[in-house]
Amino acid sequence: QKEVEQNSGPLSVPEGAIASLNCTYSDRGSQSFFWYRQYSGKSPELIMSIYSNGDKEDGRFTAQLNKASQYVSLLIRDSQPSDSATYLCAGYFGNEKLTFGTGTRLTIIP
Amino acid sequence: GAGVSQSPSNKVTEKGKDVELRCDPISGHTALYWYRQSLGQGLEFLIYFQGNSAPDKSGLPSDRFSAERTGGSVSTLTIQRTQQEDSAVYLCASSLADRGGTQYFGPGTRLLVL
Repeated sequence: QKEVEQNSGPLSVPEGAIASLNCTYSDRGSQSFFWYRQYSGKSPELIMSIYSNGDKEDGRFTAQLNKASQYVSLLIRDSQPSDSATYLCAGYFGNEKLTFGTGTRLTIIP
Repeated sequence: GAGVSQSPSNKVTEKGKDVELRCDPISGHTALYWYRQSLGQGLEFLIYFQGNSAPDKSGLPSDRFSAERTGGSVSTLTIQRTQQEDSAVYLCASSLADRGGTQYFGPGTRLLVL
């Protein structure tokens, strides 16, 4: 049973639009979640972390966490071609290992 | 400050040879993780070190894989008698604390077993 589920995509979004990436998880006990961006051939880099219910904004990025519904999302406003990458959702689930989803491939269309 | 570093960046080896991959975590980070990522796949957890505690080896795929962390800092992942299916990118990450700490990744080592 996968603990973190993501739609593998690819998700195509026009430049300037809002890209919405979603992630669901199976363990209600999880407390902390992370979004990583991974360009092709590169290692994951942290975009956002979120620990509390609600929204957390950082520039063009907004992470949303809903613990009751067990989902976490990432919104990217004013999408740019440089946002084209694979986005990995990850969370800690009762142990000390970070569990990753398989990632959603996002393509921003100029 | 300096991030996580890994060496070599690329490694090509012949089937049956042993390889050693090195990870130097961010200074002061007590937790260190190794992952494997095959082409087009997600991250596969391999092993986790936290301070002086016994490592969590639950993700190692076979007894050909081992890792150590000397002095609570640098870690070496060793793969003995490499197989073609070991070809992947091996990623190291470190975090300041466990149980929710943000993990920062190194650039990875791309291993190709011929």
